[in-house]
Amino acid sequence: GENVEQHPSTLSVQEGDSAVIKCTYSDSASNYFPWYKQELGKRPQLIIDIRSNVGEKKDQRIAVTLNKTAKHFSLHITETQPEDSAVYFCAASNQGGSEKLVFGKGMKLTVNP
Amino acid sequence: EPEVTQTPSHQVTQMGQEVILRCVPISNHLYFYWYRQILGQKVEFLVSFYNNEISEKSEIFDDQFSVERPDGSNFTLKIRSTKLEDSAMYFCASSRDIGNQPQHFGDGTRLSIL
Repeated sequence: GENVEQHPSTLSVQEGDSAVIKCTYSDSASNYFPWYKQELGKRPQLIIDIRSNVGEKKDQRIAVTLNKTAKHFSLHITETQPEDSAVYFCAASNQGGSEKLVFGKGMKLTVNP
Repeated sequence: EPEVTQTPSHQVTQMGQEVILRCVPISNHLYFYWYRQILGQKVEFLVSFYNNEISEKSEIFDDQFSVERPDGSNFTLKIRSTKLEDSAMYFCASSRDIGNQPQHFGDGTRLSIL
């Protein structure tokens, strides 16, 4: 079955810096890759997703890239702000097949003011 | 914006007891899920539910677990004979349909087994 690895597990940056979170997946049939942000005590919130028919997607300060050949995808956050501090989870699924999301372990991002 | 709602937010139960976790998916969503997250570990898939039946379940979802949509709005997860290792955060999620549809999560129920 699918296995998603995520790294680093923690990242601390200064406000205004960029942050990059990397994930790898194992199942070449996976075709949908969402990213969730989870603040302490709150629900995982979908912040961006990418499907396997595109290589990059951007939404304001957030961008995601996908390399299907290497089976890895990354989240890029530019001009980080203290409110970006949270745990970020990547996930993969084979939508149209299984639909279940297979998550990475999460990365705790701390943005220092 | 519509949200998935879960009750209770925290459930404390004695080992061996049965618990029912409740979820109200987003109203026009057709596909429902339960996930769990043991403290410090990954979010893990338990079960998906579509058209009033289980469409997929993980190896975690054994005979101890069951799901039900008792009416047009609620989606429940029942855990029988709870064990200490069932202690986790349980998340309900829903999506509008199958095939490239984002899953929206509730706030979760923290289940503590004593």
